[in-house]
Amino acid sequence: ETGVTQSPTHLIKTRGQQVTLRCSSQSGHNTVSWYQQALGQGPQFIFQYYREEENGRGNFPPRFSGLQFPNYSSELNVNALELDDSALYLCASSLSTSGNEQFFGPGTRLTVL
Amino acid sequence: QKEVEQDPGPLSVPEGAIVSLNCTYSNSAFQYFMWYRQYSRKGPELLMYTYSSGNKEDGRFTAQVDKSSKYISLFIRDSQPSDSATYLCAMSALRDDKIIFGKGTRLHILP
Repeated sequence: ETGVTQSPTHLIKTRGQQVTLRCSSQSGHNTVSWYQQALGQGPQFIFQYYREEENGRGNFPPRFSGLQFPNYSSELNVNALELDDSALYLCASSLSTSGNEQFFGPGTRLTVL
Repeated sequence: QKEVEQDPGPLSVPEGAIVSLNCTYSNSAFQYFMWYRQYSRKGPELLMYTYSSGNKEDGRFTAQVDKSSKYISLFIRDSQPSDSATYLCAMSALRDDKIIFGKGTRLHILP
């Protein structure tokens, strides 16, 4: 069974640029959630995708957007990057029928200069 | 008041001791309670998952939920240096709902 994978591992961008982060769900999982974890904080929910549709969104502006593909992999896009967007971005997958047991990937560390 | 409160620590205990980690919450709608372990620069790893009130045991780990007090705990018996990590409590109201995390408690097990 393959776990959740994310790419890239690290990324450095400058303010105003755009970034795309990628996630492959654990085999058999159909739901993916994205979280932002600032240094010294717990993860904060960005949004969730189920069967290619957004299924809930946290308190993040529209410049944070996402996609889920038919193979349940997912992308997180962030436009007009700001310094405060520097964080660890985590993807978590789950099987919707099994409750809220979400399994996390290793994360992408984004630094905005 | 934050939805989930967790003391960030750090908490240092000698090897072999029993560790007690706690969170309080304000939203009475929370029904699903989780504990995650996160090593430095890694993603969180699900340790314990419970629904509603009660106790759940898995090896050296015991999770307790007291919904009447809005208080959850994680106990680690016979603590090992490899248990040194940040422990995050998390909870949600519905089965496929967003998860709300605490800030995490940094735990150091001293050899």
